[in-house]
Amino acid sequence: KNQVEQSPQSLIILEGKNCTLQCNYTVSPFSNLRWYKQDTGRGPVSLTIMTFSENTKSNGRYTATLDADTKQSSLHITASQLSDSASYICVVLNYGGSQGNLIFGKGTKLSVKP
Amino acid sequence: GAVVSQHPSWVICKSGTSVKIECRSLDFQATTMFWYRQFPKQSLMLMATSNEGSKATYEQGVEKDKFLINHASLTLSTLTVTSAHPEDSSFYICSVIDGGLAKNIQYFGAGTRLSVL
Repeated sequence: KNQVEQSPQSLIILEGKNCTLQCNYTVSPFSNLRWYKQDTGRGPVSLTIMTFSENTKSNGRYTATLDADTKQSSLHITASQLSDSASYICVVLNYGGSQGNLIFGKGTKLSVKP
Repeated sequence: GAVVSQHPSWVICKSGTSVKIECRSLDFQATTMFWYRQFPKQSLMLMATSNEGSKATYEQGVEKDKFLINHASLTLSTLTVTSAHPEDSSFYICSVIDGGLAKNIQYFGAGTRLSVL
């Protein structure tokens, strides 16, 4: 069964600290993996998109890693800011033939406190 | 700037009424748009794929007669929740992709929060 599991479910950190969010998937065939940031009451916004051959990709203070062998990805946030408080969603594209399905994780809710 | 415009952002209605949600692609023509529903603390769930000029493709368990989708132009798709009931209260999000799903980022609208009294 194609699944995307994220951990932790929620996380509270102090402003300025770093944190790492985890994403494990069992999706086949795998096409790419995306991380989205979703503010409360808003639609998701793309942070990174990684294909099979990419191990790491950065977007400002966000760095995503991908290990296609172990089917794990992480999102590292450096020097957190209050505005980083949001849900972070890992999404894997299951792409076979001409059809594609996005498999969504439930997200990690991050709260950055002053 | 925003790639996808969704309207309204919040709607409250009485049980039994119909509600229309609009999704506009601002930067490019979108032959395909997606409609998602998200319940509190849950992940996004795909409801249907909206195809310009043809019938929408609904996911299993989604009632096509209740959730009417019209994709009449390359920049506009609408979702109408007919005879809404309290259990239809949710966060509805549309999205578009620029080109093929395998290579391109999926852009999401800001979402519409529907509250049915």
